[in-house]
Amino acid sequence: DAGVIQSPRHEVTEMGQEVTLRCKPISGHDYLFWYRQTMMRGLELLIYFNNNVPIDDSGMPEDRFSAKMPNASFSTLKIQPSEPRDSAVYFCASRGQASLNTQYFGPGTRLTVL
Amino acid sequence: AQSVTQLGSHVSVSEGALVLLRCNYSSSVPPYLFWYVQYPNQGLQLLLKYTTGATLVKGINGFEAEFKKSETSFHLTKPSAHMSDAAEYFCALNYGGSQGNLIFGKGTKLSVKP
Repeated sequence: DAGVIQSPRHEVTEMGQEVTLRCKPISGHDYLFWYRQTMMRGLELLIYFNNNVPIDDSGMPEDRFSAKMPNASFSTLKIQPSEPRDSAVYFCASRGQASLNTQYFGPGTRLTVL
Repeated sequence: AQSVTQLGSHVSVSEGALVLLRCNYSSSVPPYLFWYVQYPNQGLQLLLKYTTGATLVKGINGFEAEFKKSETSFHLTKPSAHMSDAAEYFCALNYGGSQGNLIFGKGTKLSVKP
């Protein structure tokens, strides 16, 4: 299995630009999670989906952030407009019915907003 | 409410010494408990997990953890530290069943001295 795939691995952009992060979960998994990790705040859950439906988006910082899951094999996290304080590593994770609630993490996208 | 507390944000041990990383939890129902490891510039990787049954759980790389309900603890140990164990370790829980998200502790960074 290829594991959770995230792209890009690194993104450098300027303040005000739109940023789109992508995630492909493990095939057959029905939960997908987006996390943000910073030195100051640690690991934060932003949003998660079950069967492509957003279940809890209470961790999304503000309206500049949006996430979609148009099908079972793809999700995006969009930031528009981006700000320097959005600089962080963004992780996607997925979980399947058979995995006893274990989440499998992707390698992350390191975002730098200048 | 569920919560996870990791005692010590940084732990330093000598190579060959015992590793002990502490995790305490708060949960009103029997939890599922997890330890994840994050190596520099990588995503989180599952070390081990407790769901039900045997309270001493063995994981990868020689790590193990013991679920102690009376102490609400799930400490991670390894008899002899190796330089390659230097990483950040996260304890996490959820209720099992349909609960989607994991509740993570703030992490403990392990340093191993030669």
